[in-house]
Amino acid sequence: EAEVAQSPRYKITEKSQAVAFWCDPISGHATLYWYRQILGQGPELLVQFQDESVVDDSQLPKDRFSAERLKGVDSTLKIQPAELGDSAMYLCASSLAGSGGAIETQYFGPGTRLLVL
Amino acid sequence: GESVGLHLPTLSVQEGDNSIINCAYSNSASDYFIWYKQESGKGPQFIIDIRSNMDKRQGQRVTVLLNKTVKHLSLQIAATQPGDSAVYFCAENSGGNKLVFGAGTILRVKS
Repeated sequence: EAEVAQSPRYKITEKSQAVAFWCDPISGHATLYWYRQILGQGPELLVQFQDESVVDDSQLPKDRFSAERLKGVDSTLKIQPAELGDSAMYLCASSLAGSGGAIETQYFGPGTRLLVL
Repeated sequence: GESVGLHLPTLSVQEGDNSIINCAYSNSASDYFIWYKQESGKGPQFIIDIRSNMDKRQGQRVTVLLNKTVKHLSLQIAATQPGDSAVYFCAENSGGNKLVFGAGTILRVKS
């Protein structure tokens, strides 16, 4: 069964350092999402891509966070510099299509757990 | 902003019993709802979904009920098993395939 792949699974870093997370969506899925999940809460959307274009990054703290999906397949989420409050699970999800079109189920990867010291 | 919430943060059930997890949503314009299961250290796993033109949908051992009048969603799990222990999230489509998640309900299954 096809799955969303994410790496690394765990990351420990010191504040002010840069970190990057990678996501490979399910093959053929045009829409890719990055979520942040704080312990004990539901995931919150950071950014949504349709192919290589950003559809929604209204909740992305753009002073320190950036995301790209250059070829419309895999994606990277970067934080620079990391702050203590960034400690969370970063989840990637993908769906067949979605933006402006039919509703498609989002499938999640295993996540990257970030700890900022 | 719009939000989705859960009535019970923790639910404990005996193995073999049925479980009911509830969720209240606030956006009356939402047209799609999903239940996810999340085990410790893993990403959310799709369980079942329902569109707003339906009031009930059944899967394998799971049923989702939607009451648009009172903006209420529930997940029923039949014959609950230890492997069902997890955090369960409801989510609503707020438009443009953007999901808004609730805080989650912890389901504990006692053997």
